[in-house]
Amino acid sequence: ETGVTQTPRHLVMGMTNKKSLKCEQHLGHNAMYWYKQSAKKPLELMFVYSLEERVENNSVPSRFSPECPNSSHLFLHLHTLQPEDSALYLCASSQSDRRTDTQYFGPGTRLTVL
Amino acid sequence: QKEVEQNSGPLSVPEGAIASLNCTYSDRGSQSFFWYRQYSGKSPELIMSIYSNGDKEDGRFTAQLNKASQYVSLLIRDSQPSDSATYLCAVEGNNRLAFGKGNQVVVIP
Repeated sequence: ETGVTQTPRHLVMGMTNKKSLKCEQHLGHNAMYWYKQSAKKPLELMFVYSLEERVENNSVPSRFSPECPNSSHLFLHLHTLQPEDSALYLCASSQSDRRTDTQYFGPGTRLTVL
Repeated sequence: QKEVEQNSGPLSVPEGAIASLNCTYSDRGSQSFFWYRQYSGKSPELIMSIYSNGDKEDGRFTAQLNKASQYVSLLIRDSQPSDSATYLCAVEGNNRLAFGKGNQVVVIP
């Protein structure tokens, strides 16, 4: 058990649906991340939050909308997604947003967009 | 040029043999290097980090770093079926962490 949980673990949605992914960390960390993992591609960093403030947004389409209400919770709101958005979405946390800090990953949400 | 490159194709090794994984990176100013293991259907977990040139050993795992040649490798000694997984190389530079595509290792009993 990594101390980072994600729900749901699997999600199938149509292109017109709105859904949200949830991440919770129980490690007392101050930074949280959303990554996208597609087959045969490197992990892609989407967003970084440090102390509930967004500190990095890597040119992610606006159909992905993150929210960090406190340092333990992170959401990714999804709307009007495309089939190419189907992937494994991983949440991670670390003590600070320094990339030298070890990042602990959640189990991921496997998203399928029909 | 890709930021972090790992050899393509699965690596099959017999049980008890040494598995050797290589990773090259493009940012000469990179300072921190990580190896993550990811079992099929699971999330990545950190198994090794290395910051200085040379070797770092942890149990059956050895990470080797050569900053002049811009490569970092991972050796798995006495490979076990439980080592079958994808191994991700990650390189930190300028407070950015870049991942490679990963190397799949299959240990054959």
